[in-house]
Amino acid sequence: AQTVTQSQPEMSVQEAETVTLSCTYDTSESDYYLFWYKQPPSRQMILVIRQEAYKQQNATENRFSVNFQKAAKSFSLKISDSQLGDAAMYFCAYRSAKGGATNKLIFGTGTLLAVQP
Amino acid sequence: DTGVSQNPRHKITKRGQNVTFRCDPISEHNRLYWYRQTLGQGPEFLTYFQNEAQLEKSRLLSDRFSAERPKGSFSTLEIQRTEQGDSAMYLCASSLEYVAGDTYGYTQYFGPGTRLTVL
Repeated sequence: AQTVTQSQPEMSVQEAETVTLSCTYDTSESDYYLFWYKQPPSRQMILVIRQEAYKQQNATENRFSVNFQKAAKSFSLKISDSQLGDAAMYFCAYRSAKGGATNKLIFGTGTLLAVQP
Repeated sequence: DTGVSQNPRHKITKRGQNVTFRCDPISEHNRLYWYRQTLGQGPEFLTYFQNEAQLEKSRLLSDRFSAERPKGSFSTLEIQRTEQGDSAMYLCASSLEYVAGDTYGYTQYFGPGTRLTVL
């Protein structure tokens, strides 16, 4: 079974600085998708960024980028120029790309990011 | 597109009562997922629908739980004889799967959730 591990329960960053959140996963599959979701205090889960495992190029979305290391099964999220609105719980998630599978998301336990003014 | 909506947003009930939650997915999304999230944890999969067919249920979904998606549109999740351990946030997500030309159809979009408190 696949698992997702986020080893940093809490992180803190100064406004305008850069922070990296870690995520590792375990799978025997070769084709899958990885996600970072953000859950602010209002608790609506919002997609931050996604990565297809077959793509070697790291995904980027404005101030958000990932470092995807397939062999190491690592998928870290870098937030540049941190803003107060980035404060939230961040979840890393895995999804199989196998046809006919549930394709459910498997989540890590989350990293609570605080942004200091 | 309007996003995924869920009602009610909050529900407080007494142990032993039945509750029902509703999820309205993004229009035309063919897949609908239910997850449960307890405090300090990531969401855990409960069940999912492909159109109106319920294709998988997690073992977390005891026989007190039932979900439906009539006509492949909105979905309901009912919990019978609630227990204090059922207290959690119930999240709904939808996606548009395996539609030709949709590069990101595998992405699930979440609703705001229903917070259930069982007293």
